[in-house]
Amino acid sequence: QVQLVQSGAEVKKPGASVKISCKASGYTFSSYYMHWVRQAPGQGLEWMGLINPSGEITTYAQKFQGRVTMTRDASTSTAYLELDSLTSEDTAVYYCASHLYSSCDFWGQGTLVTVSS
Amino acid sequence: DIQMTQSPSSLSASVGDRVTITCRASQDISSYLAWFQQKPGKAPKSLIYGASSLQSGVPSRFSGSGSGTYFTLTISGLQPEDFATYYCQQYNTYPVTFGPGTKVDIK
Repeated sequence: QVQLVQSGAEVKKPGASVKISCKASGYTFSSYYMHWVRQAPGQGLEWMGLINPSGEITTYAQKFQGRVTMTRDASTSTAYLELDSLTSEDTAVYYCASHLYSSCDFWGQGTLVTVSS
Repeated sequence: DIQMTQSPSSLSASVGDRVTITCRASQDISSYLAWFQQKPGKAPKSLIYGASSLQSGVPSRFSGSGSGTYFTLTISGLQPEDFATYYCQQYNTYPVTFGPGTKVDIK
């Protein structure tokens, strides 16, 4: 069965960077897109962007352009999200979601990132 | 960006009720519409894609319809495990956008 297992919670100071991993299993990782979505406390879902199967093409939401980087490693079936210049407004749960049939078909369990001085 | 709206923002219902949630897109998205269910503290779960195609393993009491700019999610015979927040999402055009959510709770 498809599984996405994300790295653990992070606590960062303002201005720092965070890198989250998402390890996939149960499907051919290198054949499908991966999305990243975040959810601030008590808020709705916010799409951050996606990376194509080969890892050569990324599409980012304009809001995150310039401080987000999505990568993937086919050898370990792992996708990564890196977000720079963190502020308190980046405190959220970050999800990876694989695009097998449509958009976000299968989701990771989420990674809580807390930004606090 | 395509704006997604949902109504109602919340509703109270009883087990066994038929519940309908609507989702509107600010422009034509054809059938590139998905529905997600999220329970507190959990990741969202995909229910429907392509406006009306049920994800594998999703109970048949969930159904979706619509195309263009108007869509609905119907739960026929609400079960205790269905109390959750539901989100629609358009994936016709980047950026992908979500509706604000509809919270379904127990009457």
